[in-house]
Amino acid sequence: DIQMTQSPSSLSASVGDTVTITCRASQGISTYLAWFQQKPGKAPKSLIYGAFTLQSGVPSKFSGSGSGTDFTLTITNLQPEDFATYYCQQYNNWPWSFGQGTKVEIK
Amino acid sequence: EVQLVQSGAEVKKPGESLKISCKGSGYTFSNYWIGWVRQMPGKGLEWMGIIYPGDSNTRYSPSFQGQVTISADKSLSTAYLQWSSLKASDSAIYYCATQLGGGNFWGQGTLVTVSS
Repeated sequence: DIQMTQSPSSLSASVGDTVTITCRASQGISTYLAWFQQKPGKAPKSLIYGAFTLQSGVPSKFSGSGSGTDFTLTITNLQPEDFATYYCQQYNNWPWSFGQGTKVEIK
Repeated sequence: EVQLVQSGAEVKKPGESLKISCKGSGYTFSNYWIGWVRQMPGKGLEWMGIIYPGDSNTRYSPSFQGQVTISADKSLSTAYLQWSSLKASDSAIYYCATQLGGGNFWGQGTLVTVSS
């Protein structure tokens, strides 16, 4: 099974900051990588699929990059509504697997 | 508009059976894998299994194989997750999710509480 490791597990940032979250796969997954945002008490929201393709309706402040084993999610100009937990997920091989999550908190 | 609408919250006793549902609309339900994700209280997301409604081909994550049954009725555009004998440790939120050409879509979640 493919293990997904996110770093950091949590981070504190200020409104207006740019943050980067890293996701590493235990083996190559090409670009079969998605990113999700989850706020407390809410269902996950899809942000990016195919490693870098923005889902319809998602603002361009979110961007993804990477291929193979190393991926990043970058969020620019952090706003209060962006403080949430972010998950990466591979869908190259079954069983699909999520990273453990990165909690983005207000500094 | 793609939508996945899940059945409502459930409160059950250990040993009882349960079947929850997820109805898809806005896309051709039969043609895309749809699956179930568990989120235990305060924890992360885990894929349980997926099904291809067109031919009912089903895959389970090893952790959930034999513990749950995933099915689908393509005539109703509905996927199901069922337990034959619930345990307290099955208490969680369960999400259905599908992956289409234009991205991923999620249901609103079903809270399952198992308590004596």
